[in-house]
Amino acid sequence: SAVISQKPSRDICQRGTSLTIQCQVDSQVTMMFWYRQQPGQSLTLIATANQGSEATYESGFVIDKFPISRPNLTFSTLTVSNMSPEDSSIYLCSVEDRGLDTEAFFGQGTRLTVV
Amino acid sequence: DAKTTQPPSMDCAEGRAANLPCNHSTISGNEYVYWYRQIHSQGPQYIIHGLKNNETNEMASLIITEDRKSSTLILPHATLRDTAVYYCIVRSTVGSSNTGKLIFGQGTTLQVKP
Repeated sequence: SAVISQKPSRDICQRGTSLTIQCQVDSQVTMMFWYRQQPGQSLTLIATANQGSEATYESGFVIDKFPISRPNLTFSTLTVSNMSPEDSSIYLCSVEDRGLDTEAFFGQGTRLTVV
Repeated sequence: DAKTTQPPSMDCAEGRAANLPCNHSTISGNEYVYWYRQIHSQGPQYIIHGLKNNETNEMASLIITEDRKSSTLILPHATLRDTAVYYCIVRSTVGSSNTGKLIFGQGTTLQVKP
């Protein structure tokens, strides 16, 4: 199994500012993903973080709002830009290695409150 | 990826088996059934997955019907710590790789009661 560390674990931010969330894995992994979980809701996939190239975003999410970096096989960042109260959510990093019998592992999430 | 349908909530008595159903009537031949759970304020945790055969591990058993249109996750002896939201997800594979993304539905909130 992979051990995932997300930082910060929680933050309270002013509207209009940006927050960068870090995801560190203890081993090299093929795939890294970012999810959002709004209050009382299920998880929604934001994007797939691709090493050395631009992230692949899901419908409804754009790079200008959620820029993502992935400089190597163990690290990724998600930035929530120009925040508004609607961005208050838990943001989760997930990692997985490609293979038939593999599963995804999740970090504990970053609880973001925008005031 | 195919959609899944789960009951929004279920109760189970502590020590009894919890049987969580999932319908995936549009599942295709190369799609696996995955189960995850999310305990309050934590990230989702992998439980089990399968293609067409029944599967068992230290956490649970997965029973998939012969036509693969539905499945049941069984927690054999539920404890209070099993209270969580359980997600049934189908995802595609191509050859030897998982290619489908994990798309979460609303899941089933399981409440284990003393």
